Formats: sequence, structure tokens, C-alpha cells
Amino acid sequence: DAKTTQPTSMDCAEGRAANLPCNHSTISGNEYVYWYRQIHSQGPQYIIHGLKNNETNEMASLIITEDRKSSTLILPHATLRDTAVYYCIVRVDGNNRLAFGKGNQVVVIP
Amino acid sequence: NAGVMQNPRHLVRRRGQEARLRCSPVKGHSHVYWYRQLPEEGLKFMVYLQKENIIDESGMPKERFSAEFPKEGPSILRIQQVVRGDSAAYFCASSRDRALEAFFGQGTRLTVV
Repeated sequence: DAKTTQPTSMDCAEGRAANLPCNHSTISGNEYVYWYRQIHSQGPQYIIHGLKNNETNEMASLIITEDRKSSTLILPHATLRDTAVYYCIVRVDGNNRLAFGKGNQVVVIP
Repeated sequence: NAGVMQNPRHLVRRRGQEARLRCSPVKGHSHVYWYRQLPEEGLKFMVYLQKENIIDESGMPKERFSAEFPKEGPSILRIQQVVRGDSAAYFCASSRDRALEAFFGQGTRLTVV
């Protein structure tokens, strides 16, 4: 079962930063926070992951609170192609058995 | 997720037939995972294989389903005597190491008529 809580859905304005929250209050010390997204009818796409420190790559930034009980995925400049279901997943190190949950349906509005 | 190739993309089978789904992982990846997504539901883990070995099959239905990842060739998910409830999207993912992120293919959409 998923160990994370996300909004069911949210809208974001095109061109603005999109901040996607995730709660994982029961996360353990060896568990990573992973983010994937699934654009309609496509396979899940890996976005980013982190353990303690904030992370940034070409797609997004991941901000993890100091107590690690929540995190925020930031899409710096949302485009219409970012419309997708976003999954925040807690993953035990060394285990790629991912519990996807229901995700957050993000719609980018022109 | 470019690199994980699944075929066919769409597969139609009559009840009672066999379905064979193929997955070629990213070159250099020896870890393969299969997931199933039923209509209007989230992805569910089925099985994890590493070349010639099944590591974790805790998500596989007990009957009719099997998976293999031979030394040479793609990973195969096999469903015998399909039923309508098997209609779903089946996704394969691969990783270079079990500790590294997995990349997904575009899936095979199985329809049982």
C-alpha cells in the first residue's frame, strides 16, 4: 500500500511554477522519495528522487522537509505537456517494487 | 523512458486463449519489473526478475500467470486461458541495478473479448 498522501487533483497555470505537495509522515530512514508521472495512456516517466537533500534536474526540483515527513515537487515553468497524473512514492533503498497509489491529477491550464 | 520496448502495443485475445507480452529492457539493464494497470486504477506491481531468476513474484496471481527473463532475449509475461478480467495495460520497467531508478515502457494493452 502507498505510504504517501497527495491531493486528488490540482490545476496549474501555464508558464507558472507548479508546486505538487506530498505527505509521507511514516517514512523510514532508509526510504527514498521518488516522483513519477503518467501522461494519459503512456508508461510512467521517472522524474526525480531524493533522500534528505533537495534535488534538481532538468525536469524538476524536489524539496524535502528537514523532518522528511513531506516534500514538494516543483515544475519550474509548467507547460500544457506537463498535464499528467503525478505519483509520489516512498521507496526502500534497493527495492524497485513501487507502490503507486492514486496520484495527483495535475492539469495545466492555458 | 525511451529504451524499454514492449510489444505488441495492443493485443486482443478471446477468452481461453493465451497472451504473451514481450519486454526488451534498456540496453545494459538486467533487472525487469512487470506492473498491471486495470481500467481506472493505479499501477500494481506483479513481478521482479533478474536475468534467468524470479526475485519477487508476490504480486502475481497464483494461477495462469507466469514470467520469465531468459539469458538471451526479452522478458515474457504469459497469461494462459485469459478471462475478461485480465483486460488491462501491462507495463514493463527495467533498471541497471535494483537500487537505481526504473524506466518504463509504453505498455501492452490487452483486451479479452
